[in-house]
Amino acid sequence: LAKTTQPISMDSYEGQEVNITCSHNNIATNDYITWYQQFPSQGPRFIIQGYKTKVTNEVASLFIPADRKSSTLSLPRVSLSDTAVYYCLVATGGEYGNKLVFGAGTILRVKS
Amino acid sequence: GAVVSQHPSRVICKSGTSVKIECRSLDFQATTMFWYRQFPKQSLMLMATSNEGSKATYEQGVEKDKFLINHASLTLSTLTVTSAHPEDSSFYICSARDRSPSEKLFFGSGTQLSVL
Repeated sequence: LAKTTQPISMDSYEGQEVNITCSHNNIATNDYITWYQQFPSQGPRFIIQGYKTKVTNEVASLFIPADRKSSTLSLPRVSLSDTAVYYCLVATGGEYGNKLVFGAGTILRVKS
Repeated sequence: GAVVSQHPSRVICKSGTSVKIECRSLDFQATTMFWYRQFPKQSLMLMATSNEGSKATYEQGVEKDKFLINHASLTLSTLTVTSAHPEDSSFYICSARDRSPSEKLFFGSGTQLSVL
């Protein structure tokens, strides 16, 4: 099971682009990389998922280098409401799949 | 995206009572559901993996007799905290995995349990 490492916290200002990098050095061939966002007293919310290269959706982009040992979540033009904890997970699908264990996450604080 | 409904959102109970938390996948079938526990300012801790029609798999250190998990159908898993004590007070979150190869997780809104 791939272990993930993220910065503990990051500070940003409204309107800036925020990049959060996650290291997963022992990622397996079949592992996908998924990012979640969590607000206090709420369940995590899916943000984006990728396997390799770059993925973009309406809220974020995910950059994955060729060796897949890291990934970077990019949040364009953050607002105060983006203040939350962000987690990256790597997991493999299958009949039951691997256990999905959360790392410490990154606390993002957006200031005005 | 898929919706996972978790009830109740908050429960306060007396020490010694049992509390049941329900987790439902509303628009997809979930053969596997996961139960997490989260203390303030900490990450989610996996408690157990719930597989439909079979016994749950508990993580090391989690008492299976204290935290009873039942996954009776493809859309419902329940967690029962038996004989709850103040140290069981925590935020409990369920999640369900869809059937895609990418193993995307969808989470319930969580249950804040307070044991007096």
